Amino acid sequence: GAGVSQSPSNKVTEKGKDVELRCDPISGHTALYWYRQSLGQGLEFLIYFQGNSAPDKSGLPSDRFSAERTGGSVSTLTIQRTQQEDSAVYLCASSTFVGLGANYGYTFGSGTRLTVV
Amino acid sequence: EDQVTQSPEALRLQEGESSSLNCSYTVSGLRGLFWYRQDPGKGPEFLFTLYSAGEEKEKERLKATLTKKESFLHITAPKPEDSATYLCAVQATTGANNLFFGTGTRLTVIP
Repeated sequence: GAGVSQSPSNKVTEKGKDVELRCDPISGHTALYWYRQSLGQGLEFLIYFQGNSAPDKSGLPSDRFSAERTGGSVSTLTIQRTQQEDSAVYLCASSTFVGLGANYGYTFGSGTRLTVV
Repeated sequence: EDQVTQSPEALRLQEGESSSLNCSYTVSGLRGLFWYRQDPGKGPEFLFTLYSAGEEKEKERLKATLTKKESFLHITAPKPEDSATYLCAVQATTGANNLFFGTGTRLTVIP
């Protein structure tokens, strides 16, 4: 597609339930990122995938959070046993070459607004 | 620890009233400084990347500049459609490949 696609756009879930958020990056983009944006907070890095390399999971806030990227394309962010503090907008972004001197910018999707009640 | 501070938090301008947004940063080594625009309900939209002190980039009514400690986003003769939240982010030369974002400046341009 022309842009980064995320689904669902909105998700309301009960505390304790598991949720899966999907990201379909721009075709050919080798790098994929998940960020979280809470009200009044800056974007918080969660996880980064680059090609076939092991993902950088350094931003995941707890072991309830996990993500995978299948076939170097679609990614799924899973949150187990959701808590109210998980409520936020989850943004996915993709980009092409990652390296010094590359004039790139991420292309973000519109996000999934997760509300845990 | 990498840190990005944006000011002001919110800014209201009359149409045509030029101003600047500030992004102060602390990073171990700067790979790049990024400006994004975010409209309500949308993901951030890439505007500029700056790599070294003294660099400037322009796009329509926007001009971004960079020093060793801060970046400015200058808005000349803004229009109501420039109303958005402007985000600044840095990427370090060491460690992770992710961007570290500030909390943004919410700009409102009044007709």
